[in-house]
Amino acid sequence: KAGVTQTPRYLIKTRGQQVTLSCSPISGHRSVSWYQQTPGQGLQFLFEYFSETQRNKGNFPGRFSGRQFSNSRSEMNVSTLELGDSALYLCASTVGASGGIEQFFGPGTRLTVL
Amino acid sequence: GESVGLHLPTLSVQEGDNSIINCAYSNSASDYFIWYKQESGKGPQFIIDIRSNMDKRQGQRVTVLLNKTVKHLSLQIAATQPGDSAVYFCAEIPNSGGYQKVTFGIGTKLQVIP
Repeated sequence: KAGVTQTPRYLIKTRGQQVTLSCSPISGHRSVSWYQQTPGQGLQFLFEYFSETQRNKGNFPGRFSGRQFSNSRSEMNVSTLELGDSALYLCASTVGASGGIEQFFGPGTRLTVL
Repeated sequence: GESVGLHLPTLSVQEGDNSIINCAYSNSASDYFIWYKQESGKGPQFIIDIRSNMDKRQGQRVTVLLNKTVKHLSLQIAATQPGDSAVYFCAEIPNSGGYQKVTFGIGTKLQVIP
């Protein structure tokens, strides 16, 4: 069974631009969560999608948004990029809804904002 | 806000020795804890979890200990191998559940000396 895949793996953007990252969960998994990982802050929860609906949201500004498609694939978008948005963006999938269930992480997308 | 931290940012151990990685958490309402391993260029990988009604759980070469009195979590790796070299971090989920409430530690880098 294929794992969680994320594209692209690396991305370089400049301030003010926008970016879209993609995540394909493990087949059969319906929940996809997104995280931002930085050296100083560690992993921080962005949002979670389940059956095309955003179920949970972390404390990030409205510039960060996402969506989930009927095939459970998910995208996240960051608009008006700032230098501080440089980070590793990880998505994780689980079979069921959120809470106490093992998550499977993808390799991440390394975003660099210049 | 609540936070999860790690005592040691870097831990070097000889191959074959046992490793102990520590984690302090501050939310006494946390109900569920997970240890993750993250190798360079990869996403976090679930290692072992423990619920607050337990104080010890064993896996293959790994043991997690939970001390709720002092809000301390540890990961013990027996007979450390070069393949164990990675960043390890803990995560806590409060009893209200939901990944939006998950708090991750910054991580401890484990270096195995051959």
